[in-house]
Formats: sequence, C-alpha cells, structure tokens
Amino acid sequence: AQTVTQSQPEMSVQEAETVTLSCTYDTSESDYYLFWYKQPPSRQMILVIRQEAYKQQNATENRFSVNFQKAAKSFSLKISDSQLGDAAMYFCAYNDMRFGAGTRLTVKP
Amino acid sequence: AAGVIQSPRHLIKEKRETATLKCYPIPRHDTVYWYQQGPGQDPQFLISFYEKMQSDKGSIPDRFSAQQFSDYHSELNMSSLELGDSALYFCASSSRGTGDHEQYFGPGTRLTVT
Repeated sequence: AQTVTQSQPEMSVQEAETVTLSCTYDTSESDYYLFWYKQPPSRQMILVIRQEAYKQQNATENRFSVNFQKAAKSFSLKISDSQLGDAAMYFCAYNDMRFGAGTRLTVKP
Repeated sequence: AAGVIQSPRHLIKEKRETATLKCYPIPRHDTVYWYQQGPGQDPQFLISFYEKMQSDKGSIPDRFSAQQFSDYHSELNMSSLELGDSALYFCASSSRGTGDHEQYFGPGTRLTVT
C-alpha cells in the first residue's frame, strides 16, 4: 500500500518570506502523480500544484514550486513571498486517494 | 467552468437515522471519489467509482453504501448513523479514463449527527 507522510504538523512563516513543507511517500510504482492541496478555513480543497513522476522537471505555479526527488520519494512544496492568504492546511497526496496528515501553515504579518 | 456539486451542503440527523449525500461530477468526468474528513483530520478515502463501477474501496463502514448512476452522479447512503459519523464529506471527480488523476473537489457536505 502506498503511504504519504507529512512530518510537520505545523509550520509558521513571516509574510513575504519563503517556507518549505515536506512530504515523503512510499510506493513500488514507477509512474504516478503527486499533488499538493490547500484547505483554507472554508474547508474547500484547492489544488495548488501537481507533479507527474515521469517528468524530471520540478513543477512550478507562480509562487509555488516543488522539489521532487523520485529516488528519495520526496515531494516538498516551497512557497515564496508568503502571503496572509496562504495560511491554510496543506495536504500532500499520492495519485487519487492517498493523503498525508496535513501541515497547518500560519503566516505572520 | 462547471465544478463538482454536492447536495445538501449541510445536514443534521439523529442517531440511528439514515442520510443520503449526492454528488454531481464535472461534465465528462468518469470517476467519482468520496472522502470523509473529521475535525482536525486529513481526508479519509471511502470509495470510488469509475464508469459507474466501483473501482476502489477505502475505509467505508459497512453501514455506508454508494453507487454511481448512468448520468455519472453518485450517492452515498449512510444508515444507522452514529455520533462519530459527524464530519465533512467530500466528493471529487476526475477524468481517469484520459489518464488524468487530478481530482476536483466539491464544497463538501457537513453532516452533524446528534
């Protein structure tokens, strides 16, 4: 079974600074998808960024980028120039159905 | 663009009652997923359907059942409700048949069991 581990229950960052959220996973498959979802207080699940395992290039979406290390089975999310609106729970997900326990990100003004 | 629709948005039931949650996927999406998210917890996968057939089963209790209909909408039926069933229930859809695993989440149904 595939498992997803987020070892940081909570993280804090100063507004305008950079923060990295960690995610590791376990799988025996060679082709798969990885996602980061954001869940603000409204509880709506919002896709932040996705990475396809067969692509070596790290995905980037504006201020959000990933560091995908396939051999290490690591998929971290970097948020640059943090904004107050980035405060939320962030979930790492493997393929369709496996979510990590989440990291609560606080942004300090 | 059309999104995933869930109804009702809020539901209050008493113990031992039944509840039915509905999910309408994005048009042309062939896969529907159901998740349960308790307070302060990560979403727990319950069950999924691909092309109207059950494709994966997660931690869905035996008291729950679900199906996907010919129009691709899905319903989650919950019987003999317990206090612990109080949670946010998400439905998500994707276009798995095209190889795209990206899930689009609905706004969720908040179920309160009293």
